[in-house]
Formats: sequence, structure tokens, C-alpha cells
Amino acid sequence: GAVVSQHPSWVICKSGTSVKIECRSLDFQATTMFWYRQFPKQSLMLMATSNEGSKATYEQGVEKDKFLINHASLTLSTLTVTSAHPEDSSFYICSARGDRENSPLHFGNGTRLTVT
Amino acid sequence: AQTVTQSQPEMSVQEAETVTLSCTYDTSESDYYLFWYKQPPSRQMILVIRQEAYKQQNATENRFSVNFQKAAKSFSLKISDSQLGDAAMYFCAYRSPRTGNQFYFGTGTSLTVIP
Repeated sequence: GAVVSQHPSWVICKSGTSVKIECRSLDFQATTMFWYRQFPKQSLMLMATSNEGSKATYEQGVEKDKFLINHASLTLSTLTVTSAHPEDSSFYICSARGDRENSPLHFGNGTRLTVT
Repeated sequence: AQTVTQSQPEMSVQEAETVTLSCTYDTSESDYYLFWYKQPPSRQMILVIRQEAYKQQNATENRFSVNFQKAAKSFSLKISDSQLGDAAMYFCAYRSPRTGNQFYFGTGTSLTVIP
């Protein structure tokens, strides 16, 4: 089955630093990947849609300069949280859809970000 | 944007019993896809079952089955012979081929399995 690998699983960083999260589709090509944020006991909140070779599409209220997305290849998308603050602490999940019309979303394992 | 509603924030079921989780959605489209995902404490999102709207037959996957009522825009998940490992958050999701690849998720139902 389709596998999405997300790295790192958890990261602790100091306020003001930047953190990069990688999302890879291991056995399929993903022209589109999605980045979600999830608060405790809540649903997934779509942050942005990452498109290979073009700019990401951000959801309303998501700061594009703070959450930089790069989708340089058909198997890799990265999310960089720039100048992180404690309020950015959260669980971030990436996903990609398979290439068939009825394909579901395949999710990475998520990244727990803690900003101190 | 499409709206997906899960009206049961929490549910519980006795081990080996059956439980049904509700999901309704709002759409004007006739062609779309529906999914149920499970998120255990590990927080890994796991696909449980999927349904194409054009298929009248309800999808089944072992102990998991759906009751898809297209006219009522309802997509409930039935878990039979509940097991302790079924304890998780369950999310209903909708995808329209016409709005690109975006998936719309419900707010989730937390399922507790009582031994």
C-alpha cells in the first residue's frame, strides 16, 4: 500500500528558531500533498495544499510567511515553521492522495512540535 | 466548502458488542467519495473504510461496515464485535472530485471500548 513518511516524529525547539518537517511519499508520486494541524482532541485543520513545482495554496488565516511550504519533487514536500513561538506548538500531519480517482488520503505519522 | 458533521463527540461500547458512529454531510454534488479514518492514541491516521457515492452497495471491511444513505446524506459506520483495539478517534471525511483533491473532515467521535 501507499506509504507516507514524515520526519521528525517530534521536535523541541527554542522560540525564534525555525523547524523543518519533511513529508515523503515512498512508493507513489504525489503531485499534491496536504499539511494539517491538529490540536488536542480536535479534528484536522487543513493549513495548506502543497503542489509540486508551484506555490502552495494556503487556507484562510494561515500565515504563508510563517509556514513555508516547498514541494520540489513528486515525492517530497517540506513545511518550515519560521521564527517559531510557543503558540505554534502543535501536532502537524502531512498527507498525500494516491494517484487513482478513488484513492484515499495516506497520512504520515505526524510531528509533535514543542516550542519552548 | 463542504460540511461534514459528526454529532457524537464521544461514544462507548462494551467489548464484543456493536456500535454505530454517525456522520452527515452537506453537498449539492452527485459524485463524491466518503471515508472513515481511525486515529488511535499513537495519532497515526488509519483508513478504515471508503465508499464511492455512485455505488449503491454499502462498503464492508471485515468487522466494519457503513450505512450509506445518499438521499439523506448520511454515512454511518458500524463496528461489530468491538475489540479493545478499536478504541480511537474516528473521523468521517468527504472528497469531491470537483474541488481538487481536498478532503473535508468531521469533528471526530471518540470511541471507548469497555472490557
